[in-house]
Amino acid sequence: DAEITQSPRHKITETGRQVTLACHQTWNHNNMFWYRQDLGHGLRLIHYSYGVQDTNKGEVSDGYSVSRSNTEDLPLTLESAASSQTSVYFCASSHGRFDEQFFGPGTRLTVL
Amino acid sequence: RKEVEQDPGPFNVPEGATVAFNCTYSNSASQSFFWYRQDCRKEPKLLMSVYSSGNEDGRFTAQLNRASQYISLLIRDSKLSDSATYLCVVVDTGTASKLTFGTGTRLQVTL
Repeated sequence: DAEITQSPRHKITETGRQVTLACHQTWNHNNMFWYRQDLGHGLRLIHYSYGVQDTNKGEVSDGYSVSRSNTEDLPLTLESAASSQTSVYFCASSHGRFDEQFFGPGTRLTVL
Repeated sequence: RKEVEQDPGPFNVPEGATVAFNCTYSNSASQSFFWYRQDCRKEPKLLMSVYSSGNEDGRFTAQLNRASQYISLLIRDSKLSDSATYLCVVVDTGTASKLTFGTGTRLQVTL
């Protein structure tokens, strides 16, 4: 069955370190998204991609970057982790740009 | 004003009750709407799309009121398994095309 996976599921890191969160989908979807979810803010879009070599900034992109070298993967990199980036991160993909999004299980990141 | 607003709840209802949630949105040009369900510490999953004429899926009914810019979700005959957070999603397909998630309404169904 097609699916979307994220790794690691939990990560503890230190302020200033570079961290990369992986997202892999087997739906063959062109569209992929990264969100963070914090209490009181709901899901906020970090970056998104509509296809290979395409990346776009979302509403909270500062301090994050993505790259899309193939259809299946959209890794999210925190260039220099900050405590404010402690959050739960969800990756999602969709067939059409505004269709139902399928979410991965999430990565819980703690920055100390 | 937030782009998408929901009452955070929690809504505590007994099994078998009918409960309704509303969600208001600020952009009158919004095109599409969804309700997602999110269980504690899990990923959001699509519950249902919301169509202009309203739509029903079993015990769940979704309504759209474009004039007043809100969508609603009605759950009849609540089950314990309906306990979750319900997220309203609004889609803008214009120049700033994006999906915007509400912060969610928490429902707790009790015996």
